[in-house]
Amino acid sequence: SAVISQKPSRDICQRGTSLTIQCQVDSQVTMMFWYRQQPGQSLTLIATANQGSEATYESGFVIDKFPISRPNLTFSTLTVSNMSPEDSSIYLCSVDSGVQYFGPGTRLTVT
Amino acid sequence: LAKTTQPISMDSYEGQEVNITCSHNNIATNDYITWYQQFPSQGPRFIIQGYKTKVTNEVASLFIPADRKSSTLSLPRVSLSDTAVYYCLVDQTGANNLFFGTGTRLTVIP
Repeated sequence: SAVISQKPSRDICQRGTSLTIQCQVDSQVTMMFWYRQQPGQSLTLIATANQGSEATYESGFVIDKFPISRPNLTFSTLTVSNMSPEDSSIYLCSVDSGVQYFGPGTRLTVT
Repeated sequence: LAKTTQPISMDSYEGQEVNITCSHNNIATNDYITWYQQFPSQGPRFIIQGYKTKVTNEVASLFIPADRKSSTLSLPRVSLSDTAVYYCLVDQTGANNLFFGTGTRLTVIP
């Protein structure tokens, strides 16, 4: 298994600003994933982040809006840029270690 | 990606066995079936994974018929703390994408 932490756990941000979410895992992993979960909805994959390469984005998500860094095998960041109220969601990171393990999520509210 | 279909919600009394069935008609040969549990304000938590027949762990059992087009998660003697959303996924272990369907919202009633 893997233990994953995220920072911040929650934040309230103003429209037009950006927020960077950090994801830390307690072991080295090749693949890390970022998901979005809008209120009352299921999870949607934003992108896959492999260390040493550009993140791969899913349809509907672009790098300019959600830039991702993956500087090493235990850490990744997701930035939500130029936020609008529609970006209010829970953002979760996960790692693949046989099965996917998820962090606790970051609850973002954009006003 | 094989999509899944589950009941949107289920209610059960404490102490009962709960069976949640998931349909995945387009499952591929390399796909595994994995179930996750999600409590409010938490990330999904892995429950169980299987490929065929039956798998059991300390939390649940997973029944998969021979054609693998469906699977049933069985939770023995549920308690109030089992109230959560349960997601069924099919995926190639180690593949990039996990497609989360709507999930089943289980409510355990005293």
